[in-house]
Amino acid sequence: AQSVTQPDIHITVSEGASLELRCNYSYGATPYLFWYVQSPGQGLQLLLKYFSGDTLVQGIKGFEAEFKRSQSSFNLRKPSVHWSDAAEYFCAVGAGDDKIIFGKGTRLHILP
Amino acid sequence: GAVVSQHPSRVICKSGTSVKIECRSLDFQATTMFWYRQFPKQSLMLMATSNEGSKATYEQGVEKDKFLINHASLTLSTLTVTSAHPEDSSFYICSARYGGANNEQFFGPGTRLTVL
Repeated sequence: AQSVTQPDIHITVSEGASLELRCNYSYGATPYLFWYVQSPGQGLQLLLKYFSGDTLVQGIKGFEAEFKRSQSSFNLRKPSVHWSDAAEYFCAVGAGDDKIIFGKGTRLHILP
Repeated sequence: GAVVSQHPSRVICKSGTSVKIECRSLDFQATTMFWYRQFPKQSLMLMATSNEGSKATYEQGVEKDKFLINHASLTLSTLTVTSAHPEDSSFYICSARYGGANNEQFFGPGTRLTVL
């Protein structure tokens, strides 16, 4: 069965610093991979997704993620965070059917 | 992106009552809608998948008689929590999608249900 692990419950970085949020997945075939962001009072917003092709995926708001099959990872990165990036981030895996399996999320805190 | 709304955003009810939550796709036709449940500091757990005009498909462990889902039109799905109990208190989130599994799901802002 598919599963997603986000090992960091909380991450704190200073504004302007680089960011990497970790995500590992478990799935036998080539997965569909997603990163979503959830802000208070807002719905989940898709940052980026990987279905196939180039393993480095560019998303919105300056985020990118790299699919590494050998490590079963899909880590999210941003070179310089802004205070507005403080939110909950969810990694998710889809199996080509209707289901998307979400990780438990990583809460990102930004220090001024 | 497409917009999905949920109503109400917050509801408090007494134990034993039923609560209806609406999910609407505002600017597109949603052939498939999904209902998730999110506990504090936990992930979103898929409860059920509904296609317009057909019965919802429930995930294992989700009581279909307790969580009634109706997807009567391409822009509206409702989740009714029947005879709610305090353990049903949670954050309920819907999402909507047009077309096949490769298409993006658009998420609503969620509904906070508190059962006293």
